[in-house]
Amino acid sequence: ETGVTQTPRHLVMGMTNKKSLKCEQHLGHNAMYWYKQSAKKPLELMFVYNFKEQTENNSVPSRFSPECPNSSHLFLHLHTLQPEDSALYLCASSQVSSGRADTQYFGPGTRLTVL
Amino acid sequence: DAKTTQPNSMESNEEEPVHLPCNHSTISGTDYIHWYRQLPSQGPEYVIHGLTSNVNNRMASLAIAEDRKSSTLILHRATLRDAAVYYCILRGSSNTGKLIFGQGTTLQVKP
Repeated sequence: ETGVTQTPRHLVMGMTNKKSLKCEQHLGHNAMYWYKQSAKKPLELMFVYNFKEQTENNSVPSRFSPECPNSSHLFLHLHTLQPEDSALYLCASSQVSSGRADTQYFGPGTRLTVL
Repeated sequence: DAKTTQPNSMESNEEEPVHLPCNHSTISGTDYIHWYRQLPSQGPEYVIHGLTSNVNNRMASLAIAEDRKSSTLILHRATLRDAAVYYCILRGSSNTGKLIFGQGTTLQVKP
């Protein structure tokens, strides 16, 4: 499935660095999501955007800052991260419409390592 | 969100059918049952979903108990490429769009 792309695929950063993860969906969807997958743990939902508006923030620390400039692009800005933030960060998109449980399409993820 | 319970792991032989169970005893009448799977080093992918009736698609079949408190994902002939973590997820009709993942079932397929 190439409908959702993520860059970079791998990222190594120090705790004082600032970096950004990018997600792009080519499916014409109106909702986008960031998930975090740490080793041996289930995927955790971080943020939800519907029609470019953030509708959910699951108590994510402020060192993670999402940005959704349009319905096709989603960014996750990272600054002063901790080693425990090392994980696979997954982006997804879906078409949200009233009364329907639509499929989410995931990107391949960015493997982040914080030194 | 209603909770699901799945076995941590299962094994199957190649070319044989696999039945992956999921319990969801607190399911509400409007919750859809979704299945996703995550292959190694990839993001999750949709497999199938249903509400009350059994469902079939090219990837799998979904059998839903009459009381809807459990369901079973059926892979009719397992291949080595089916080795993955399989997630059973309930999604309500309020449809905020989010998915709540559990630990899932890790399926190993032996040649």
